[in-house]
Amino acid sequence: DGGITQSPKYLFRKEGQNVTLSCEQNLNHDAMYWYRQDPGQGLRLIYYSQIVNDFQKGDIAEGYSVSREKKESFPLTVTSAQKNPTAFYLCASKRGDQETQYFGPGTRLLVL
Amino acid sequence: DAKTTQPPSMDCAEGRAANLPCNHSTISGNEYVYWYRQIHSQGPQYIIHGLKNNETNEMASLIITEDRKSSTLILPHATLRDTAVYYCIVRGVDRGSTLGRLYFGRGTQLTVWP
Repeated sequence: DGGITQSPKYLFRKEGQNVTLSCEQNLNHDAMYWYRQDPGQGLRLIYYSQIVNDFQKGDIAEGYSVSREKKESFPLTVTSAQKNPTAFYLCASKRGDQETQYFGPGTRLLVL
Repeated sequence: DAKTTQPPSMDCAEGRAANLPCNHSTISGNEYVYWYRQIHSQGPQYIIHGLKNNETNEMASLIITEDRKSSTLILPHATLRDTAVYYCIVRGVDRGSTLGRLYFGRGTQLTVWP
């Protein structure tokens, strides 16, 4: 089955630690996105990538980094510079010629 | 992208139609209306989209007013599993701009009760 997967479902971070969230898709989609969602809020864009080896900052990129070495993978690293990382992180992808985005199940990050 | 306005919450009895309104009075001619929903602690799910004609698929119907300043998402026979936050989004197709960005507001929390 084609789809978009995120792992892990829950992730715990200690103070000063970098953590990496995985996002993989086998839909052959060109574009991929990372969003952050805080309780009771909408989604805010962190980073997005239109093609391999290219990505752009979204609205809240500070404290985050990404890479796009393969078309199907778009990992997000939450660095120690992100002072309030506790949130629900969502990855999405879409075909280049369409506007509909398809979302993964999300990763919930908690700070210990 | 045009701003949308939705009521924060709505209720619906199971088996009845759920009609979710959305205002987008500043929508421009080439902007589509998209609807997504998000069940608690899951990723958003695409429902339907339209430009100016009414649209229907297996999940829902989308009614867009003639002046395109508002729309209504209709779930014809709501079930308990339709309880979710529903997002109305207006997105242009200008690929020269920030590609494929969707601006999610707070949406409408729909609660379907037995």
